Amino acid sequence: HVQLQESGPGLVKPSQTLSLTCTVSSGSISSGSYYWTWIRQPAGKGLEWIGRIYISGSTNYNPSLKSRLTISVDTSKNEFSLKLSSVTAADTAMYYCATVNTTMGTFDYWGRGNLVTVSS
Amino acid sequence: DIQMTQSPSSLSASVGDRVTITCRASQSISSYLNWYQQKLGKAPKLLIYAASSLQSGVPSRFSGSGSGTHFTLTISSLQPEDFGIYYCQQSYSTPLTFGGGTKVEIK
Repeated sequence: HVQLQESGPGLVKPSQTLSLTCTVSSGSISSGSYYWTWIRQPAGKGLEWIGRIYISGSTNYNPSLKSRLTISVDTSKNEFSLKLSSVTAADTAMYYCATVNTTMGTFDYWGRGNLVTVSS
Repeated sequence: DIQMTQSPSSLSASVGDRVTITCRASQSISSYLNWYQQKLGKAPKLLIYAASSLQSGVPSRFSGSGSGTHFTLTISSLQPEDFGIYYCQQSYSTPLTFGGGTKVEIK
């Protein structure tokens, strides 16, 4: 049973870079069973897949965010990270990290979420 | 991108009712369709994967069906704890996409 915990600032100024980290416990990020992924959800709205990374370092990004997005993994710390640049109010959301099963494509395990507000 | 469309966007039903939620894909996704339940302030929880397989620990009153572009989630006998928002999600191709959600309320 993989456990995930997001961490990062709750407030980011417009035009700055949003940085979040997801720490993996009760499991190894080097497991080949999962993609490590980020999803976000604006208040009262639906879910948007941001992107994912595999242990090899291979990434897939949502085309709508690709130009501003970097997802990376640090196996020594058992964590992966999200950086979203040039943020605006539209990036205000709850950000979740999660695992995506490489076989079924299901979001199996989720963190509790990190609320990020973009405001000056 | 594959667009996922859910209907209805909300529903209100009584305990014991049979509830059906529909999800349509903008192109064929075979059976690469998953269903989640989200409660207020919580992360989504996987209910059904591969269109019709019940996730371990999920009550058997939940079932899924469909393939191609048309899918349904059925709750055979609605229980008080089944309130929340239900999302479908396609895992056929990236970007992974979700339906807009169906809010289920208990009358």
